[in-house]
Amino acid sequence: AQKITQTQPGMFVQEKEAVTLDCTYDTSDQSYGLFWYKQPSSGEMIFLIYQGSYDEQNATEGRYSLNFQKARKSANLVISASQLGDSAMYFCAMREGALTGGSYIPTFGRGTSLIVHP
Amino acid sequence: DTGVSQDPRHKITKRGQNVTFRCDPISEHNRLYWYRQTLGQGPEFLTYFQNEAQLEKSRLLSDRFSAERPKGSFSTLEIQRTEQGDSAMYLCASSFPSDQGNTIYFGEGSWLTVV
Repeated sequence: AQKITQTQPGMFVQEKEAVTLDCTYDTSDQSYGLFWYKQPSSGEMIFLIYQGSYDEQNATEGRYSLNFQKARKSANLVISASQLGDSAMYFCAMREGALTGGSYIPTFGRGTSLIVHP
Repeated sequence: DTGVSQDPRHKITKRGQNVTFRCDPISEHNRLYWYRQTLGQGPEFLTYFQNEAQLEKSRLLSDRFSAERPKGSFSTLEIQRTEQGDSAMYLCASSFPSDQGNTIYFGEGSWLTVV
């Protein structure tokens, strides 16, 4: 079974608007971490934001915020004030905790392609 | 530049040849990971080192693949007798356990094309 599901293969947004990229996850661990990465056409995976399962506040990093809904097992990425340079692939990932034998190795979803148009 | 570096960035090889990729992690990161990414997919885990010990290998890592991290610093990933199905981007990443939930930081990747 997929541990990370990204149901939106592609998203379009107008410059300066906000966009939400969806991510749902599946784990039975109580301790886990959720990550978002950006991959532009050059190929490098760029870390954006992290949310721990015990963090009560939603993580924010500049224009990025993570809408963490633990009961629904969702960790959506919100990009505010989109810029042309935000056009890229976006990957959600999960690291399961070591308490139940997890190995701290992140598992990635299939990604969402975001295109920002002027 | 103190990020993860990978070499070569691009490699074109004939089927049946051997190829080797090198990864230099962020200094003081004791964990190092190799992933493979094909078109339209997310990165898939291949193998993981903590210091010089290879602690985990994916079933994706066939007998033709071998990875080493001899002194706990740089790592190499060798593919023997390459096949066209090995064409992919090979990503290296490193982490330090206490750093933000073991966030892993990637290099720019090594693109492999097998012809």
